Amino acid sequence: GAVVSQHPSRVICKSGTSVKIECRSLDFQATTMFWYRQFPKQSLMLMATSNEGSKATYEQGVEKDKFLINHASLTLSTLTVTSAHPEDSSFYICSARDVPSGVYWKETQYFGPGTRLLVL
Amino acid sequence: AQKVTQAQTEISVVEKEDVTLDCVYETRDTTYYLFWYKQPPSGELVFLIRRNSFDEQNEISGRYSWNFQKSTSSFNFTITASQVVDSAVYFCALSANTGNQFYFGTGTSLTVIP
Repeated sequence: GAVVSQHPSRVICKSGTSVKIECRSLDFQATTMFWYRQFPKQSLMLMATSNEGSKATYEQGVEKDKFLINHASLTLSTLTVTSAHPEDSSFYICSARDVPSGVYWKETQYFGPGTRLLVL
Repeated sequence: AQKVTQAQTEISVVEKEDVTLDCVYETRDTTYYLFWYKQPPSGELVFLIRRNSFDEQNEISGRYSWNFQKSTSSFNFTITASQVVDSAVYFCALSANTGNQFYFGTGTSLTVIP
């Protein structure tokens, strides 16, 4: 089946620094990728929808200047947490939309393994 | 609006017992998809099942079974003869279609005691 990878799997950084998280679709092209955030013992909440070649769409309450999303190619989306603070410590999960052979009724979504961010 | 409710926050069962995890959803869409995912301590989401709104057949996969009832907007998940390896957080999710964003429930933390 389709695979989505995330890098890094775990990152620790100092407050005020920026962190970049990569999400790659390994064997399919993803025109759309989603970024979710999960705080400890909570559910996954959508942060933004990333479309290749265009600006990301952010959910209400998510600061677009703080969480920069770049979907520069059909297999890569990046999330940069700028000037990270301890409250940004969370588990970030991406998912990628696969439309096999352009057949939309077959489309499905695959989740990456997640990235744990700890801001000290 | 889309919403998924998992009323059970935590469940503990003794190994070999059966356990049912409840999921109730809300949507105005006539076409939608329902999912169950398992999240072990590592954090990675493990896909368990996908159901579309037109298919109300119950499904069984080994020790897992799912009961989809449109009349009550429920999509419950049963594990029979639970094992310690089943211990994890289980999420029910809803999507207008499989390519759209997912709406996740708050999850049910299952602990299977040996």
